Amino acid sequence: AQSVTQLDSQVPVFEEAPVELRCNYSSSVSVYLFWYVQYPNQGLQLLLKYLSGSTLVKGINGFEAEFNKSQTSFHLRKPSVHISDTAEYFCAVSFTGGGNKLTFGTGTQLKVEL
Amino acid sequence: DTGVSQNPRHKITKRGQNVTFRCDPISEHNRLYWYRQTLGQGPEFLTYFQNEAQLEKSRLLSDRFSAERPKGSFSTLEIQRTEQGDSAMYLCASSSGTGVGNQPQHFGDGTRLSIL
Repeated sequence: AQSVTQLDSQVPVFEEAPVELRCNYSSSVSVYLFWYVQYPNQGLQLLLKYLSGSTLVKGINGFEAEFNKSQTSFHLRKPSVHISDTAEYFCAVSFTGGGNKLTFGTGTQLKVEL
Repeated sequence: DTGVSQNPRHKITKRGQNVTFRCDPISEHNRLYWYRQTLGQGPEFLTYFQNEAQLEKSRLLSDRFSAERPKGSFSTLEIQRTEQGDSAMYLCASSSGTGVGNQPQHFGDGTRLSIL
């Protein structure tokens, strides 16, 4: 079975500082990886995805993530955060032949402070 | 692309009542998913449809839950005899399901269910 671990439940950071949100996964088969963002009382918005190819993936709003197969990680990074990036971030995995259903981590609350 | 639409946005009901939620996916998407999200947790998969066929159901989907997708368009999720533990955000997502690789899912804003 697949599982996703987000090691940090909360990450406080000052505006314009860099940030990294960590994600590790466990799977015995090939996976596809996603990062979603959720603002209060809203659904999830896709930030970026890794399906195949280059291990460095660029997404919306200046976010990027790197797939590391040997470490089974897919950490999310942004070089300079903005107040508007304050939200909950979810890492998710699906696998080939799995009907595309997503298994999510428990989320990381990013709080950007002035 | 009008996005995934869910109705109602909020539902408050008494324990033991039945509730039904509706999801309208993005029109060209043939796959539709239901997830449940409780406070402080990530969404958990409940079930998914490819066109009108319900292809997988999670063990979380007890016999009080039923989902349908008639004609492969909108979907409904019904909960019978609601319990306190059913209080959650119910999220619907859709994706295309053809071609190579997994296509990303697009989520609606959810229906928040509160059981009194």
